[in-house]
Amino acid sequence: EIVLTQSPGTLSLSPGEGATLSCRASQSINNNYLAWYQQKYGQAPRLLIYGASSRATGIPDRFSGSGSGTDFTLTISRLEPEDFAVYYCQQYGSSPPLTFGGGTKVEIK
Amino acid sequence: EVQLLESGGGLVQPGGSLRLSCAASGFTFNNYAMSWVRQAPGKGLEWVSGISNSGGSTFYADSVKGRFTISRDNSKNTLYLQMNSLRAEDTAIYYCAKGHVGGSTVRFDYWGQGTLVTVSS
Repeated sequence: EIVLTQSPGTLSLSPGEGATLSCRASQSINNNYLAWYQQKYGQAPRLLIYGASSRATGIPDRFSGSGSGTDFTLTISRLEPEDFAVYYCQQYGSSPPLTFGGGTKVEIK
Repeated sequence: EVQLLESGGGLVQPGGSLRLSCAASGFTFNNYAMSWVRQAPGKGLEWVSGISNSGGSTFYADSVKGRFTISRDNSKNTLYLQMNSLRAEDTAIYYCAKGHVGGSTVRFDYWGQGTLVTVSS
């Protein structure tokens, strides 16, 4: 089972600032099959990024993903008020169990 | 428009059973794998179980193996999760999630709004 470790646990930032979220895998993820999701309070998760760096349909270009192998990053270039949420990474490069990271909460400073 | 509508959640005693359903619409159901993902109160996401597009392959997290059974009825566009021998630690919101392809290694491009399962005496 691939374990995903996200850091930091919480990021306190102001609107307009940039955010950098990390996801580290316990072993290399095949084909860089790493996805990022956003979850706002009381809502279901929403797919943001897949294949480590491809934006899902309708996702603004202020969201970008990068990385390969075991180290991946989600970057939000300029935080909008609606971006304050919890972000999860998920690997889908290996047979189940599919795994999620523990999440990073981006909160308003 | 893709829609996933879960039902069947509720309060159940430890050791009891519950069956969740997820009615899907807006896509060709039998082309895509489906999964159940849960979220305990105040906690992160945990993949619980997945099923291939045909239903021929099923997968489970170790935490539920032997107690939960995933299935699908492609004629009814519906996904199920039979949960037996429920424990307090199974208390969570259970989300139905659509895979991006038909096989086992999937990301989730659509999610339902979830159904709450509470296991308590």
